[in-house]
Amino acid sequence: SQTIHQWPATLVQPVGSPLSLECTVEGTSNPNLYWYRQAAGRGLQLLFYSVGIGQISSEVPQNLSASRPQDRQFILSSKKLLLSDSGFYLCAWSEGNTYGYTFGSGTRLTVV
Amino acid sequence: RKEVEQDPGPFNVPEGATVAFNCTYSNSASQSFFWYRQDCRKEPKLLMSVYSSGNEDGRFTAQLNRASQYISLLIRDSKLSDSATYLCVVNERSGYSTLTFGKGTMLLVSP
Repeated sequence: SQTIHQWPATLVQPVGSPLSLECTVEGTSNPNLYWYRQAAGRGLQLLFYSVGIGQISSEVPQNLSASRPQDRQFILSSKKLLLSDSGFYLCAWSEGNTYGYTFGSGTRLTVV
Repeated sequence: RKEVEQDPGPFNVPEGATVAFNCTYSNSASQSFFWYRQDCRKEPKLLMSVYSSGNEDGRFTAQLNRASQYISLLIRDSKLSDSATYLCVVNERSGYSTLTFGKGTMLLVSP
């Protein structure tokens, strides 16, 4: 069966520090991969998605970036965090457009 | 702008009650519809897909009205464990599609 792993679960980072969040999927090939952010009291915001290795689509211009160095690995990065980057970051995968997404357990990021 | 709208709630109901959530979406070309459940400080989890003919899974019934661009979720015989936020999710975009999530409706079931 397919599983998705996301780490770390919790992260506290100072303003201006770099960020790297990693997500991996097991048990499937060529999944569609997504990064979402959920700010406190708000809905899920799509940040990036990828349909294949090296292919990244950005939904929201900001100081975050994403990479997909391997088929089942998706990384979210920032060179310099802002206070507004605080939130609950969720990685998800799907097998296509018509199926629902399966989410990782998320990373709760607090920028201080 | 394409959106998915939900009543934020919270809906406070006693155990055993029947509760209904509604959702509207803006893109008439949308093809896929889902209800997700999100517990406090947890990731969203797929509750059920929504089919044109309507579908039922135990105490949960989902309905889709394409003409009105309206989706509903009915929960019968509410349990304490049903307390969560319910997210309406729609495939909103044309071309390569991603899912758009509503902000969710919070349900609180009390003894």
